[in-house]
Amino acid sequence: AQKVTQAQTEISVVEKEDVTLDCVYETRDTTYYLFWYKQPPSGELVFLIRRNSFDEQNEISGRYSWNFQKSTSSFNFTITASQVVDSAVYFCALSEAIKGTDKLIFGTGTRLQVFP
Amino acid sequence: KAGVTQTPRYLIKTRGQQVTLSCSPISGHRSVSWYQQTPGQGLQFLFEYFSETQRNKGNFPGRFSGRQFSNSRSEMNVSTLELGDSALYLCASSQTGAYYGYTFGSGTRLTVV
Repeated sequence: AQKVTQAQTEISVVEKEDVTLDCVYETRDTTYYLFWYKQPPSGELVFLIRRNSFDEQNEISGRYSWNFQKSTSSFNFTITASQVVDSAVYFCALSEAIKGTDKLIFGTGTRLQVFP
Repeated sequence: KAGVTQTPRYLIKTRGQQVTLSCSPISGHRSVSWYQQTPGQGLQFLFEYFSETQRNKGNFPGRFSGRQFSNSRSEMNVSTLELGDSALYLCASSQTGAYYGYTFGSGTRLTVV
């Protein structure tokens, strides 16, 4: 069965600290897609990254980086030199490429609070 | 480029009433999905439409229904509202589907009293 686990419910850091948000997923499919979304207080889910199951290359985008490891079924997200504006709830999500199952399975989210 | 637009932003309804929420996807996006977000259950998939056809449906009672129009705009309807239906309802659009990545709207916050 599909499942996404974000074990960290809430993380608090002080500005400029690095922080890693963990995501572990379960799927029976060999072709799948993983995502990270950010949800600020306004409520809108903001797309951060999409990664397919055949691309295990890590990715860096500014202060954000992602580590995808199929061997441990993990897709972790690191924010370097965190800023107050990074405060939000972050969701990891999974989508399988099986016809008829076109949906996102979300984890429970990690609330990140960055203090000045 | 306009984003996903959801109306209304906030809604207060009474138990037993029905409600219709609207979603206008990004121009050119043919897939529209709806998600319910509550503190207890998190983000849960309601249904997905592509070119006016429902392709996938989540585990919600029949009181929850939706449709998509020829211009890709979508509506979802909840009949006989219950207190537990209070939630943030998020609409998302994509060119082809979930695996491509969704753009979400700001949501409609529904409160049932």
